Amino acid sequence: GNSVTQMEGPVTLSEEAFLTINCTYTATGYPSLFWYVQYPGEGLQLLLKATKADDKGSNKGFEATYRKETTSFHLEKGSVQVSDSAVYFCALIQQGGKLIFGQGTELSVKP
Amino acid sequence: NAGVTQTPKFRVLKTGQSMTLLCAQDMNHEYMYWYRQDPGMGLRLIHYSVGEGTTAKGEVPDGYNVSRLKKQNFLLGLESAAPSQTSVYFCASRIDEGRKGEQYFGPGTRLTVT
Repeated sequence: GNSVTQMEGPVTLSEEAFLTINCTYTATGYPSLFWYVQYPGEGLQLLLKATKADDKGSNKGFEATYRKETTSFHLEKGSVQVSDSAVYFCALIQQGGKLIFGQGTELSVKP
Repeated sequence: NAGVTQTPKFRVLKTGQSMTLLCAQDMNHEYMYWYRQDPGMGLRLIHYSVGEGTTAKGEVPDGYNVSRLKKQNFLLGLESAAPSQTSVYFCASRIDEGRKGEQYFGPGTRLTVT
């Protein structure tokens, strides 16, 4: 069946450091891919998405490219801020609009 | 426009008690979902609905029931709560855009079963 695997956290970075959170997936066909962010005590918010191979999603300085050849959708940001501290979830969408989530990666950014 | 709201925000139950969680959305979305979030496991789908009057099982449906009598509401019921149902529950809704439509999430309900 379909699945999503993320790198384990927590990830701790200093402000202005470069961020990469790895995400790989297993799926039949070419599902749309998403990154969601969950700030402390809140629900999930869509951060970015890509709907086909080679698409690049971007938002708030974050980027991720849909790589069909490596079945990956890694999240990157060139310079993180303390306000980026949150849990990040990679997900794919399958039939019926159901999302399959990775286990989440906690990011902590120190000043 | 409130988006997706959930009631209550927190609840403590004793084993064997029952309760209903309410999810409401004001975006006229067709699809609605209930997830549970547990440490290290991401979010797992409990039940979902593709329209008013319809429900379907997700990945972890046992011990839960749902109803979608009105398009804007999706109720999640626990008939006899167990400690294993201690979790944070999230509701989400989505407009029907095939595989492109994003889901909008509520703020969550933190449930503890003692």
